[in-house]
Amino acid sequence: RKEVEQDPGPFNVPEGATVAFNCTYSNSASQSFFWYRQDCRKEPKLLMSVYSSGNEDGRFTAQLNRASQYISLLIRDSKLSDSATYLCVVKGNTGGFKTIFGAGTRLFVKA
Amino acid sequence: GAGVSQSPSNKVTEKGKDVELRCDPISGHTALYWYRQSLGQGLEFLIYFQGNSAPDKSGLPSDRFSAERTGGSVSTLTIQRTQQEDSAVYLCASSSRDRSYEQYFGPGTRLTVT
Repeated sequence: RKEVEQDPGPFNVPEGATVAFNCTYSNSASQSFFWYRQDCRKEPKLLMSVYSSGNEDGRFTAQLNRASQYISLLIRDSKLSDSATYLCVVKGNTGGFKTIFGAGTRLFVKA
Repeated sequence: GAGVSQSPSNKVTEKGKDVELRCDPISGHTALYWYRQSLGQGLEFLIYFQGNSAPDKSGLPSDRFSAERTGGSVSTLTIQRTQQEDSAVYLCASSSRDRSYEQYFGPGTRLTVT
């Protein structure tokens, strides 16, 4: 079993749609959680951190469920520019700082 | 300010040759990571440096892979006796001590082993 698992997609949605991605992690001792975005042939960039109480940044909402060991990302009112791969990232405290990236979920937003 | 830079941007090498990939992190960032990403795959953690601490090498796939970080800044990833399965994009990232959760990535080096 992979340490971080994501549905690879692709998710094809029309503009304005709401779309949700889930990610599960296997290490219950994981400490920190993030969503990164990676555009085609570009480097990943931090989208948002995921806090235990859930957090929102504009059209993006992230949730963490420690009991079930999953993280979610909700995108409301999808834009064409949201088309990208969304990477779930889990950071543990074993050995300090090992960071595990999921393989990513591809999103295509169409006009 | 300048971001993370990597060189070369592309490298084509013959199987069995050694290659060196370079990463210049953001000035003042104490943490430096190396990852590799194969086509259509996620990022695979390779190695992590933090200040003067011993690096976390737990992700290096074999003893053909090694990395150094000199003077707490520039890092070099060396792959000896390259194999075709080493073909991938090698990404470097750095982060600051007070915002260690945010990694800034370089553009990567695309390595092709023929």
